[in-house]
Amino acid sequence: GAVVSQHPSRVICKSGTSVKIECRSLDFQATTMFWYRQFPKKSLMLMATSNEGSKATYEQGVEKDKFLINHASLTLSTLTVTSAHPEDSSFYICSAGARTSGTDTQYFGPGTRLTVL
Amino acid sequence: KNEVEQSPQNLTAQEGEFITINCSYSVGISALHWLQQHPGGGIVSLFMLSSGKKKHGRLIATINIQEKHSSLHITASHPRDSAVYICAVRRTGANNLFFGTGTRLTVIP
Repeated sequence: GAVVSQHPSRVICKSGTSVKIECRSLDFQATTMFWYRQFPKKSLMLMATSNEGSKATYEQGVEKDKFLINHASLTLSTLTVTSAHPEDSSFYICSAGARTSGTDTQYFGPGTRLTVL
Repeated sequence: KNEVEQSPQNLTAQEGEFITINCSYSVGISALHWLQQHPGGGIVSLFMLSSGKKKHGRLIATINIQEKHSSLHITASHPRDSAVYICAVRRTGANNLFFGTGTRLTVIP
């Protein structure tokens, strides 16, 4: 099946620094990638939808200047958490959309756990 | 009210038991996903359904479009099945998924 990787898997940073998370589709081209955030024991919350070559579409309440998304190619999207604060500590998951046998589906990355000190 | 509701929220079972997790949704959908999330956090897509029934190993997923309801069944449950199972739907005409809050399954040896 299709594989999506995320890097890093875990990051600890100081408050005020910026952190970049990469999401790659390894064996398929993804025109659309999704970024989710998950708080402990909660479900996934969609942050933004990223389309290759265009600006990301952010969900209501998600600050676009704080969570910068770049979808530079059909296999790579990046999420940069700028000027991170402890409340940004969370589990960030990406997924990549693909069309398999005529059906649209999503493949999820393994997630990145961000801890801001 | 969430657009996607799962029940139960928590489920503890003895090894070998037959398990059912339910998902109800209130919107028109083009597809429904069942996802599995282990304690480490990574998410695995188990099934994507738009109608009928699918089976993979000990896992069976069914969907009733008219009743807006899906079930995930696990036969002969095993401790390694312990995880959070999440139901997610793609609304008709939309690209993104809407998620249920998940069912935390614990299978005791």
